Amino acid sequence: KAGVTQTPRYLIKTRGQQVTLSCSPISGHRSVSWYQQTPGQGLQFLFEYFSETQRNKGNFPGRFSGRQFSNSRSEMNVSTLELGDSALYLCASSGTRENLYEQYFGPGTRLTVT
Amino acid sequence: GENVEQHPSTLSVQEGDSAVIKCTYSDSASNYFPWYKQELGKRPQLIIDIRSNVGEKKDQRIAVTLNKTAKHFSLHITETQPEDSAVYFCARNSGGSNYKLTFGKGTLLTVNP
Repeated sequence: KAGVTQTPRYLIKTRGQQVTLSCSPISGHRSVSWYQQTPGQGLQFLFEYFSETQRNKGNFPGRFSGRQFSNSRSEMNVSTLELGDSALYLCASSGTRENLYEQYFGPGTRLTVT
Repeated sequence: GENVEQHPSTLSVQEGDSAVIKCTYSDSASNYFPWYKQELGKRPQLIIDIRSNVGEKKDQRIAVTLNKTAKHFSLHITETQPEDSAVYFCARNSGGSNYKLTFGKGTLLTVNP
């Protein structure tokens, strides 16, 4: 099976702009979670989608949003970018009947805000 | 609370030695505890996990132990090799079928040849 894929892999944006990141889960996985990874804060949970519904949300401002499509692909959007949003954004998919909890990560999108 | 405490933050061992990384948590509802390995510039890779109804799980040179009473779990790597060098993260879920993972801050393991 193909692994989790994310696009784009690298992105440079300017403060105040917005950005949309995409994640395609492993075939058959219905849950997609998003995480932000920074050297200072480590891996932090953003939100999780299952069957097009947001089930869990982390402690991030409303500028961070997401959605999931009927084919389980997910997008996350960050509006009004700030310098502190520079990070590696990882998505992870999970949710097969055999392995309900195991989360497999994509390669990430490296976002740089200047 | 929310956090997972992970120790040590850095660990240096000689090839062939064992390495142990420990994590503690406080949410008694957590029932799933995975460990991830992240090499430089790569994605976190799930290497082993344990559920709350099991005390120990082993997969070749790696093992994980869980003490639910004391709320701590540990990763054990035996016969370490240079390719084991990476950052290791522990994590826990928030219980039930909750998929949200809370991660420790990571341990940089260096295996010296």
